[in-house]
Amino acid sequence: NAGVTQTPKFRVLKTGQSMTLLCAQDMNHEYMYWYRQDPGMGLRLIHYSVGEGTTAKGEVPDGYNVSRLKKQNFLLGLESAAPSQTSVYFCASSPTPGGAQETQYFGPGTRLLVL
Amino acid sequence: QQPVQSPQAVILREGEDAVINCSSSKALYSVHWYRQKHGEAPVFLMILLKGGEQKGHEKISASFNEKKQQSSLYLTASQLSYSGTYFCGTEKLGGGADGLTFGKGTHLIIQP
Repeated sequence: NAGVTQTPKFRVLKTGQSMTLLCAQDMNHEYMYWYRQDPGMGLRLIHYSVGEGTTAKGEVPDGYNVSRLKKQNFLLGLESAAPSQTSVYFCASSPTPGGAQETQYFGPGTRLLVL
Repeated sequence: QQPVQSPQAVILREGEDAVINCSSSKALYSVHWYRQKHGEAPVFLMILLKGGEQKGHEKISASFNEKKQQSSLYLTASQLSYSGTYFCGTEKLGGGADGLTFGKGTHLIIQP
C-alpha cells in the first residue's frame, strides 16, 4: 500500500496563477482532509470530505476550493494564488472522523511558494 | 479553538526526560499525539481516550485527564531520534466530521 500520496511535491506560482493539488489514498478511507502548515501555527484545516461527492469547510477555507469526485482522490484548488497562500499543504485520510480506534494518516506534503 | 501546547520549545541532553502538555478549553473525547521531523509528514504516536487513560510506546508514554481536559506526553531517557516537533490533536466530545484540532506544536531538540 502506498498510503497517502500527494502531487506535486513542490511548486512555485506567480500571484494570480491557479493550480490543483492532488491527494490520493489507497486505504479505502471515507474521510479526507486538507491542512496547511505555517511556521508557529501548527496544522490548520482548510476543507474536508466525509465521503465521495461531499466536501465541507474547515477553519481556513478562503481562497481554496476542493472536490471529491472519487473516493480515493481529494483535490485542492487555488483559483488565484496569493503570497499569503505560501505554505506546506498536507493531506490526510481516516476511516472514521477521529476518535476511538483510528487516527489520521498524512501524506508527505506539498511545498507551495507564491511569488 | 486550538489546544494549547506547552512548552513551545525544549532543549535536552541525550538521556534526559521531557514532558509536553496539551490543554483544551473544550470537553474532549480523545487526544492524538504526533511527531514531525523537519521536512516530513506528521507521524502518529498514540491515541488516548477519555477515562484517565495512560499509554506507553517504548520510552514514550502519555496520560489523559478528561476532567482537566489535559494530556501530557512523557519522553524518558531521550534519544537523538526523539528530536522533532510534537503535536497534539484533540477530538471534542460529541465528535464532528471535521476530526482533529491540532495545537501549534512543541519543538524538541536533543543534543548529544
